[in-house]
Amino acid sequence: GAVVSQHPSWVICKSGTSVKIECRSLDFQATTMFWYRQFPKQSLMLMATSNEGSKATYEQGVEKDKFLINHASLTLSTLTVTSAHPEDSSFYICSARVGGRQMNTEAFFGQGTRLTVV
Amino acid sequence: AQSVSQHNHHVILSEAASLELGCNYSYGGTVNLFWYVQYPGQHLQLLLKYFSGYPLVKGIKGFEAEFIKSKFSFNLRKPSVQWSDTAEYFCAVNTGGYQKVTFGTGTKLQVIP
Repeated sequence: GAVVSQHPSWVICKSGTSVKIECRSLDFQATTMFWYRQFPKQSLMLMATSNEGSKATYEQGVEKDKFLINHASLTLSTLTVTSAHPEDSSFYICSARVGGRQMNTEAFFGQGTRLTVV
Repeated sequence: AQSVSQHNHHVILSEAASLELGCNYSYGGTVNLFWYVQYPGQHLQLLLKYFSGYPLVKGIKGFEAEFIKSKFSFNLRKPSVQWSDTAEYFCAVNTGGYQKVTFGTGTKLQVIP
């Protein structure tokens, strides 16, 4: 299957600093990528849909100024957690679908990034 | 908006027991349905998917799922589980185009040798 790579796998940062997480589709072009957040013992919650060359679409309740998403190329989307606080500590996962607008495609997931804000 | 319900949060089985994990979704239109698995320390992997056609789909590692449209269900089954099946299982639904994939809350399966 297609490969989606996230970097870093884990990061520890001080409260008030910003952290950037990268999501790359290694062997396919992804016009759309998705960013999820997974709290302990809970499911994946979609944060935003990242569209190449345009603004991201954020889910209700997600602060767009805090979670900046940039999808500058067909293989790279970045999520920047700005002015991070301890409550932002979580597991962030990206995914990408092969085929873009086609409905009948599966999503491939990155390995996730464990963010700990101290 | 679509939603997905997984009724079993934690299931404990002995090896060789049969498995059935429930999944129900709410959406009136055409859906794509998925089961993903997350082994300890690993990322999500696709187990199987249903897009259209015959409602019984087979996936990797002996898993299968049946789409019952009238019940809005997509239950996951395996006749005989192994210790290596210990993982968390997520049911997911997608309603097409750029629409998001919505996940259920997950079911932790623990298989006892």
